[in-house]
Amino acid sequence: KAGVTQTPRYLIKTRGQQVTLSCSPISGHRSVSWYQQTPGQGLQFLFEYFSETQRNKGNFPGRFSGRQFSNSRSEMNVSTLELGDSALYLCASSLNRAKGEAFFGQGTRLTVV
Amino acid sequence: GENVEQHPSTLSVQEGDSAVIKCTYSDSASNYFPWYKQELGKGPQLIIDIRSNVGEKKDQRIAVTLNKTAKHFSLHITETQPEDSAVYFCAAIRSVNQGGKLIFGQGTELSVKP
Repeated sequence: KAGVTQTPRYLIKTRGQQVTLSCSPISGHRSVSWYQQTPGQGLQFLFEYFSETQRNKGNFPGRFSGRQFSNSRSEMNVSTLELGDSALYLCASSLNRAKGEAFFGQGTRLTVV
Repeated sequence: GENVEQHPSTLSVQEGDSAVIKCTYSDSASNYFPWYKQELGKGPQLIIDIRSNVGEKKDQRIAVTLNKTAKHFSLHITETQPEDSAVYFCAAIRSVNQGGKLIFGQGTELSVKP
């Protein structure tokens, strides 16, 4: 069974640009969550999608958004990039919302210059 | 707000010794507590978890204990090996109401010296 797949693995963007990251969850998993990982703030929850609807949102500005498609694949978008957005962005998939177990992908390393 | 404190931030042990990492959570409604291992350049890997209706769970050399009254949970690794070297994260969640919103500790960098 394939794991969580995130693309691309690495990205370099310039301040002010926007970026879209993609996540394909484990087959059959319907919940997708996104996290930002930085050395200073650790792992922080961005948002969760289930059945194409955002179910939960963390404390991030509106520049961070996401969506989920009918096949459970998810994308997150960051607009007007800032240097502080440089981070490892991780996607996690879960079978459903109640079960709890979350399996992470390898992440997308975003560098903003 | 919701918070998970993790200690120590770094831990160095000799191969074969035991390692213990401790976490404290603030949300008394948390009911699911996973532990993740993250190696360099990789995403976090779920290694063991425990639910609030269980006090202890063991999987080979790894065990987790939960004290709901004190809101503490701990990871125990016995007979450590060099390949156990990684960053370990604890987390807590109200798995029914909060869906995917895991609250993570700050991580423990474990170094196992051969």
